[in-house]
Amino acid sequence: SQQGEEDPQALSIQEGENATMNCSYKTSINNLQWYRQNSGRGLVHLILIRSNEREKHSGRLRVTLDTSKKSSSLLITASRAADTASYFCATVSIFSGGYQKVTFGTGTKLQVIP
Amino acid sequence: DTGVSQNPRHKITKRGQNVTFRCDPISEHNRLYWYRQTLGQGPEFLTYFQNEAQLEKSRLLSDRFSAERPKGSFSTLEIQRTEQGDSAMYLCALGGQGRYYGYTFGSGTRLTVV
Repeated sequence: SQQGEEDPQALSIQEGENATMNCSYKTSINNLQWYRQNSGRGLVHLILIRSNEREKHSGRLRVTLDTSKKSSSLLITASRAADTASYFCATVSIFSGGYQKVTFGTGTKLQVIP
Repeated sequence: DTGVSQNPRHKITKRGQNVTFRCDPISEHNRLYWYRQTLGQGPEFLTYFQNEAQLEKSRLLSDRFSAERPKGSFSTLEIQRTEQGDSAMYLCALGGQGRYYGYTFGSGTRLTVV
């Protein structure tokens, strides 16, 4: 089953605009991650935010995390046509023995129009 | 090169046949995951290996599915008596050490059951 719900399901913007995607989840987490997937390919890790962090930046990416609302957002600034892909949030919970349960959201399909 | 190789990339099989997929990490990783992804959805967890031990299995993994990781290196996922509902992308992912790390995904094996 998938824990995360992402919205919007699809987003179409012009090159140069910012893109914001949101993710909501249900259970307590150790960290939350965002991944990108180009059509027909595997997922690529973008950024990780720990449960005790509220905001993190990496290049043109900005991630926020609100554990009280169980939600996260991914902002891509100054979007490029090459950013066109599906974006997934993944929640990570750690159990005894070190097992890390990773649960993915339903994804946001981003199209950046040149 | 994603750090993990999956073969074959595509597999078309007739309903009722058995299929086997392989995941080869390029370097040593203790943690190995299998996921299944259907069109327009996020990856769904199937099973987890820590070294050669299969520690977690999803309810999605019916008795027709079996996974192995002999010697804690490569892994195989076998589906017996395939059904059309098994058509999906099967993804292998590697986890790192410690509590905070991103996962490395292979490009996946796309299975089509006709």
